[in-house]
Amino acid sequence: AQTVTQSQPEMSVQEAETVTLSCTYDTSENNYYLFWYKQPPSRQMILVIRQEAYKQQNATENRFSVNFQKAAKSFSLKISDSQLGDTAMYFCAFMKQNTGNQFYFGTGTSLTVIP
Amino acid sequence: GAVVSQHPSRVICKSGTSVKIECRSLDFQATTMFWYRQFPKKSLMLMATSNEGSKATYEQGVEKDKFLINHASLTLSTLTVTSAHPEDSSFYICSAPQGLGHQETQYFGPGTRLLVL
Repeated sequence: AQTVTQSQPEMSVQEAETVTLSCTYDTSENNYYLFWYKQPPSRQMILVIRQEAYKQQNATENRFSVNFQKAAKSFSLKISDSQLGDTAMYFCAFMKQNTGNQFYFGTGTSLTVIP
Repeated sequence: GAVVSQHPSRVICKSGTSVKIECRSLDFQATTMFWYRQFPKKSLMLMATSNEGSKATYEQGVEKDKFLINHASLTLSTLTVTSAHPEDSSFYICSAPQGLGHQETQYFGPGTRLLVL
């Protein structure tokens, strides 16, 4: 079975600063996908960034980037130039490679951006 | 990205009644959809996998007779909470995978807040 661990239940960051959210996972699979989702107060799950395990290059999406360490099974999210709208719950998720597979979610990190 | 809708967005019902929640993929087809339950400030708990044209697969501990799932078409899955009780009050979210191979991503509906009185 796959497990996803987010060890930081709550974090805060000053506006315009940088913050890193941690995520580790455990799997015996070699091919899989990793995701970070954001859930703002509206509770709509929004995809932030995804990473294919076979790619060594870390994914980036504007202010969001990941540090993917496959051997260490670590997948952290870095948010640069934090904005007030980044305040949300952030969930790390794992999915096996086969089409239509379920997600395994971490417990989430509540991020607050302080003005 | 792909769009998944849910209806209703919130529902209040009396104990003992049944409530149906719809999940639709608006611009893509989904042979598989997933239903989650989320308690306040908690993670999403997978309840079941909805399969078009066949029976749903339920996670351990989820009562299949309590939470009826029907995947009627390639764009619609429904979750019916039968004989609802206050402990069924929760936030229910569906998702559907879209894309092939390395492009595959899960897209989530906006959720349905259920309150059973």
